[in-house]
Amino acid sequence: TQLLEQSPQFLSIQEGENLTVYCNSSSVFSSLQWYRQEPGEGPVLLVTVVTGGEVKKLKRLTFQFGDARKDSSLHITAAQTGDTGLYLCAGARGSQGNLIFGKGTKLSVKP
Amino acid sequence: GAGVSQSPSNKVTEKGKDVELRCDPISGHTALYWYRQSLGQGLEFLIYFQGNSAPDKSGLPSDRFSAERTGGSVSTLTIQRTQQEDSAVYLCASSRQGAGTEAFFGQGTRLTVV
Repeated sequence: TQLLEQSPQFLSIQEGENLTVYCNSSSVFSSLQWYRQEPGEGPVLLVTVVTGGEVKKLKRLTFQFGDARKDSSLHITAAQTGDTGLYLCAGARGSQGNLIFGKGTKLSVKP
Repeated sequence: GAGVSQSPSNKVTEKGKDVELRCDPISGHTALYWYRQSLGQGLEFLIYFQGNSAPDKSGLPSDRFSAERTGGSVSTLTIQRTQQEDSAVYLCASSRQGAGTEAFFGQGTRLTVV
């Protein structure tokens, strides 16, 4: 059973389009992180959300943590080719707990 | 070092042989994670070390897999009697305190079992 479900699994869009990817769970997390991974590299942290209902913005990226702290979304406005990569959400249970990853959304932005 | 270092970066081994993968975490980070990633897929949790606590081994897929962390620093992941399905990229990460704090990843070890 996958603890964190990400959708869509694959997304191919044109430069300039908007997109949203989702991270859902039946479990409550104390915090949730979004990472981006490029080929041949390890994932790199984009943001951490902690409070239910929290919204964080990072330039063209908007992250939201669900009120019940079970789900999250990542919205990208006016996608650029440099946004191409694998987007992973990761949930933490308590500050001393493990970090569990979803299977990721593979985003391809075409010029 | 400045980041998480993993070695070797690539390893090709024959089916049935044992392999050891090494991870040097960022100095001072108490938490260390091992994950496995198949081609283009998400990260499968393997094992988690946090300070002096007993490691969380719940993700190890079989008893052929083991890991240790010596002196709260360097970690070694050992796979005994490797099988073709063990082929994957093995990623190590460390964080200052554990889940909820930023995890810094190494570049991984690409393991190919032939």
